[in-house]
Amino acid sequence: DAGVIQSPRHEVTEMGQEVTLRCKPISGHNSLFWYRQTMMRGLELLIYFNNNVPIDDSGMPEDRFSAKMPNASFSTLKIQPSEPRDSAVYFCASSLGSINNEQFFGPGTRLTVL
Amino acid sequence: AQKVTQAQTEISVVEKEDVTLDCVYETRDTTYYLFWYKQPPSGELVFLIRRNSFDEQNEISGRYSWNFQKSTSSFNFTITASQVVDSAVYFCALSEDKTSYDKVIFGPGTSLSVIP
Repeated sequence: DAGVIQSPRHEVTEMGQEVTLRCKPISGHNSLFWYRQTMMRGLELLIYFNNNVPIDDSGMPEDRFSAKMPNASFSTLKIQPSEPRDSAVYFCASSLGSINNEQFFGPGTRLTVL
Repeated sequence: AQKVTQAQTEISVVEKEDVTLDCVYETRDTTYYLFWYKQPPSGELVFLIRRNSFDEQNEISGRYSWNFQKSTSSFNFTITASQVVDSAVYFCALSEDKTSYDKVIFGPGTSLSVIP
């Protein structure tokens, strides 16, 4: 079975541009998580979906960030407009059940905003 | 409030040595879950273990073992006879599942280098 799929793997963009990160969770998993990893702040949970519904988005840094999950097999994380401080590795993870179960992580998207 | 502390930022050991990675957590809830994840140089996080707050039994899986002690709010991870392939960043995490909120918090990680 394929694991969590993320695209693109690398993204370089200029400040002010819109960035869209994509995630395909493991088939059958009903929880999906978006994380951001930086040297300064470590691994932070941005938003958590359960059955396609956002349960907790308190980790989303500001209004420039938005996430959607239109169906069980696809989610996007959008940053508009992007800023250099958004440079990080963004991970998507999925799990079966609640936030208390093991999560399977994708390979991550390394975002660089110039 | 929730908090996960991994006081050891970096550890270096020589191959075949044993090494223990510390994790101390804070929570006000009686029901919670603890995890360890490994992040090798390739970057992808890999699940290692989950433990719920009602199960204090220690666990052993091959060269890996975990010591959960509620009295000290610790969930330490020991690698026996370390190998170069164990070199990675290891994260401890805490989750809670309440009707009003769901939270998962990761510790800052411990970078382990195993020197041949």
